[in-house]
Amino acid sequence: SSELTQDPAVSVALGQTVRITCQGGSLRRSYASWYQQKPGQAPVLLIFGKNIRPSGIPDRFSGSSSGDTTSLTITGAQAEDEADYHCHCRGNNHMVFGGGTKLTVL
Amino acid sequence: QVQLVQSGAEVKKPGASVKVSCKASGYRFIAYYIHWVRQAPGQGLEWMGDINTNSGDTNFAQKFQGRVTMTRDTSINTVSMDLSGLKSDDSAIYFCAKSKSYCSDGICYHYFDYWGQGTLVTVSS
Repeated sequence: SSELTQDPAVSVALGQTVRITCQGGSLRRSYASWYQQKPGQAPVLLIFGKNIRPSGIPDRFSGSSSGDTTSLTITGAQAEDEADYHCHCRGNNHMVFGGGTKLTVL
Repeated sequence: QVQLVQSGAEVKKPGASVKVSCKASGYRFIAYYIHWVRQAPGQGLEWMGDINTNSGDTNFAQKFQGRVTMTRDTSINTVSMDLSGLKSDDSAIYFCAKSKSYCSDGICYHYFDYWGQGTLVTVSS
């Protein structure tokens, strides 16, 4: 079982805002990072640290955290945002991923 | 530009071993750890372990202890992952990923900034 818990599936209407959450005790000691993965592709880094986006990631993606929960927010979801989203952080001497959230854009 | 290029797909029988390689380019190879992450069909990402590309030291998830080895060859900027005693549930896509880490004011962050394209390993009799 994963030490980070994500909802398996979330949906959002085109252009609306959606929040994807990730919960786990390790998040109290380490910032999470978020990855987007489309079918047949490798994950792509979306957010790391205290809401830092790598170059090329649209600013509609943002991250936040509070206690043992971290969130990825997509403000104005686009059709191309339909994908799997994975959270990650460091546990005790190991790395851990959430189970992933499948986002459907309606 | 940073690239991680993995070896090709493999088909193995149960009980066999598989070796997947990951060739890095575009950055100073020994400055960053390489991790291996796998993804079974329709499942999430699973961290397997990492290798310090400078020292060669490794750290594995408990689940894979005794079955996995990771090595690096600094002359060709390549990391390899060997998994032995293959079972059908080892069928998955295996990714290598370059990591970065930073700690400040007691809070740390770790992330994977570049990933290989993935290698499909199929275990079937």
